[in-house]
Amino acid sequence: EADIYQTPRYLVIGTGKKITLECSQTMGHDKMYWYQQDPGMELHLIHYSYGVNSTEKGDLSSESTVSRIRTEHFPLTLESARPSHTSQYLCASSEGVTSGVYNEQFFGPGTRLTVL
Amino acid sequence: GEDVEQSLFLSVREGDSSVINCTYTDSSSTYLYWYKQEPGAGLQLLTYIFSNMDMKQDQRLTVLLNKKDKHLSLRIADTQTGDSAIYFCAETLPGSARQLTFGSGTQLTVLP
Repeated sequence: EADIYQTPRYLVIGTGKKITLECSQTMGHDKMYWYQQDPGMELHLIHYSYGVNSTEKGDLSSESTVSRIRTEHFPLTLESARPSHTSQYLCASSEGVTSGVYNEQFFGPGTRLTVL
Repeated sequence: GEDVEQSLFLSVREGDSSVINCTYTDSSSTYLYWYKQEPGAGLQLLTYIFSNMDMKQDQRLTVLLNKKDKHLSLRIADTQTGDSAIYFCAETLPGSARQLTFGSGTQLTVLP
């Protein structure tokens, strides 16, 4: 069983609020990822990190920001939530292997965010 | 390009075989994966295949890879109601910073 955790699991919040979605892993993985999952199932990579103090934007433009101050922790923040941010957010991690080789990503259970 | 495509829905009867298909466009893929997502949960790796293999079998799961047609399939034998989930194929590309490119997912529904 993967040791990657996300809190909260469900969040309903009003427009304009600042929120932080937490993601932690205990596997010592260097690489971490945030995905946004549409109601239609498709996964979109919004942020990733190679390690401490490294963050990159993914394929889908997102108004969220991330930080990586500790290896095990990769929080995602929305400064001012809007209804368009309503979605499922999935966090994942993997070992720090070089690109092009076997890369299993371990996923957290997700946070379902609803912005009213 | 880095497009990975799947059909959106598949329904089968319990006990039948399920075949979920995936096509990809980048022939330099090194590894291809199948992930499973159960309702309300994250994704979990089911199986994977290295690009120099044609087939891989793991209990009820059989993965077939046709590199010429850039086609990947997952066959589930004796499908059970617990197999109902969303199945994602994914590929690893050399030099890709994001490591994995996922398909759009196939919702498998197993009917009793």
